Amino acid sequence: DAGVTQSPTHLIKTRGQQVTLRCSPKSGHDTVSWYQQALGQGPQFIFQYYEEEERQRGNFPDRFSGHQFPNYSSELNVNALLLGDSAHYLCASSLGGKEKLFFGSGTQLSVL
Amino acid sequence: DQQVKQNSPSLSVQEGRISILNCDYTNSMFDYFLWYKKYPAEGPTFLISISSIKDKNEDGRFTVFLNKSAKHLSLHIVPSQPGDSAVYFCAASGGGSNYKLTFGKGTLLTVNP
Repeated sequence: DAGVTQSPTHLIKTRGQQVTLRCSPKSGHDTVSWYQQALGQGPQFIFQYYEEEERQRGNFPDRFSGHQFPNYSSELNVNALLLGDSAHYLCASSLGGKEKLFFGSGTQLSVL
Repeated sequence: DQQVKQNSPSLSVQEGRISILNCDYTNSMFDYFLWYKKYPAEGPTFLISISSIKDKNEDGRFTVFLNKSAKHLSLHIVPSQPGDSAVYFCAASGGGSNYKLTFGKGTLLTVNP
């Protein structure tokens, strides 16, 4: 049983560029949440997708957007990258959006 | 405004002894609490949770205690093992239609053989 898978594992971009991160949820899960973890901090909630719609959003600017596909996989898009966007981006899946989340290993994004 | 606080960045204990990790919260709307463990280069792994209607939940070597009046919870690991060495995150949820988890900054636990 595959867990949550994320791609790519590492990514280097320059300021102003755009990036897309991908996530496949654990088998049987229908909800995907995205978190940003800066160095030395806990994960910060970006948004959650359920039934292909953004159900809840954290305190992140509109440069952060997402999408959920009919197979429940999801993408996180970040436009106009800033140096401060450098972080570890975590995808988590759950059934119905309940609190017990299963996390992927994340994507380490470096913005130069 | 940090609503979930883990005031100890690190903790070191001897193998076989008890590890106690603490967490405080400020938001009285939180009604569900979780502990996650994280190894380097991996995502957080769910460890144990507790609902606000309980004051204790136990799972093997792990026990979580909740003191709602003090807005405090703790994770006890007995006995501690070297494989428990990891970063431990406390997280809280407001329940209802609030689906997000609010995490603390984490505590690095080192269990020495």
